[in-house]
Amino acid sequence: AQRVTQPEKLLSVFKGAPVELKCNYSYSGSPELFWYVQYSRQRLQLLLRHISRESIKGFTADLNKGETSFHLKKPFAQEEDSAMYYCALRLPTTSGTYKYIFGTGTRLKVLA
Amino acid sequence: EAQVTQNPRYLITVTGKKLTVTCSQNMNHEYMSWYRQDPGLGLRQIYYSMNVEVTDKGDVPEGYKVSRKEKRNFPLILESPSPNQTSLYFCASRENSGGATDTQYFGPGTRLTVL
Repeated sequence: AQRVTQPEKLLSVFKGAPVELKCNYSYSGSPELFWYVQYSRQRLQLLLRHISRESIKGFTADLNKGETSFHLKKPFAQEEDSAMYYCALRLPTTSGTYKYIFGTGTRLKVLA
Repeated sequence: EAQVTQNPRYLITVTGKKLTVTCSQNMNHEYMSWYRQDPGLGLRQIYYSMNVEVTDKGDVPEGYKVSRKEKRNFPLILESPSPNQTSLYFCASRENSGGATDTQYFGPGTRLTVL
């Protein structure tokens, strides 16, 4: 069955330290993966998508098909990075659209 | 301003009393979706719709209904709510381009408590 696993519920790091939020997926096809972020009192929003190979707010994520992972990384954490992060897998449906499977989320706390 | 709106934002109700949570988007998006967010379970997709009059089940559709009579609206209906439907509900929309660059836009959430 398709699944997205985020093993850490909470990750605390000090400001300036590197951050890695883990995401593993289970899917036999070619995965399309996303990271969404929810800052305090704000709406859930897209952070980045694997296909774009982009860096947003200093975050990057590389798809590793061998390890079925899509970990989110940032070399130097900032206090404003504190938020809830969700990894999501987009799956094609037989009706020609997509459905989404989200992980359980990881709360990142960046300590001063 | 491009956005997704939900109403009500907070709702306390009793078991069995039918309720509707509305969702509206002003971006002319074809795709709309409902999620519930529960501690330890993350977001789970309830229903989605790829266009008017076209809806399909997500991972947790039991106990819910949806309709898509207009492109901009996608109400979530609980015919007979039960306490296990106490949750935080999010509506989202995106263009149904199917491209890898799609972005889902989320509403502010509706916190539902069923007593």
